[in-house]
Amino acid sequence: SQKIEQNSEALNIQEGKTATLTCNYTNYSPAYLQWYRQDPGRGPVFLLLIRENEKEKRKERLKVTFDTTLKQSLFHITASQPADSATYLCALDASHYKLSFGAGTTVTVRA
Amino acid sequence: SAVISQKPSRDICQRGTSLTIQCQVDSQVTMMFWYRQQPGQSLTLIATANQGSEATYESGFVIDKFPISRPNLTFSTLTVSNLSPEDSSIYLCSATDRVYEQYFGPGTRLTVT
Repeated sequence: SQKIEQNSEALNIQEGKTATLTCNYTNYSPAYLQWYRQDPGRGPVFLLLIRENEKEKRKERLKVTFDTTLKQSLFHITASQPADSATYLCALDASHYKLSFGAGTTVTVRA
Repeated sequence: SAVISQKPSRDICQRGTSLTIQCQVDSQVTMMFWYRQQPGQSLTLIATANQGSEATYESGFVIDKFPISRPNLTFSTLTVSNLSPEDSSIYLCSATDRVYEQYFGPGTRLTVT
């Protein structure tokens, strides 16, 4: 069956450090993978998209890698700030326009 | 980008009743979706709301329980019928005009007593 797995444990890091989140998938062949941020009581907000033929993508302090051989994406938040505290979701294209989401990883950045 | 609003933001309903959730987008969009998110769990796609035709439901979701309307390109409703405590969840509407990023509403928190 299809599965998307993200870090099962919440991530607690010190301000200024890099947070690294993982997203592993099975029985998908995604053309692209997306990362979203979700704050408590709010809907997810799109952050980054990476295509299957791209190894790495950056946006400001965010970096995403995509390894289709390992079936894994890594999401990095560099120079983390308390404002980065949120739940981060990875999503794969399931079929035309549709997304399948992982359960998310909660990140807390301590000042 | 699109801005999406949902009404109500939360509700407490009695078992056996129904709740209709409204989703309004500030611009015309091609695709609208309805998701359910249970506490600590991932978003699960309920259905794709198709303008002018019946919604397309995902496995495990049926029209009788989750009737959906989409009368135009900016508006959709989801009704959760014959409520049971298992329906307590957050319901989210999303929209996209491209194959890629989706824009989400703030969600409707439903509690069934």
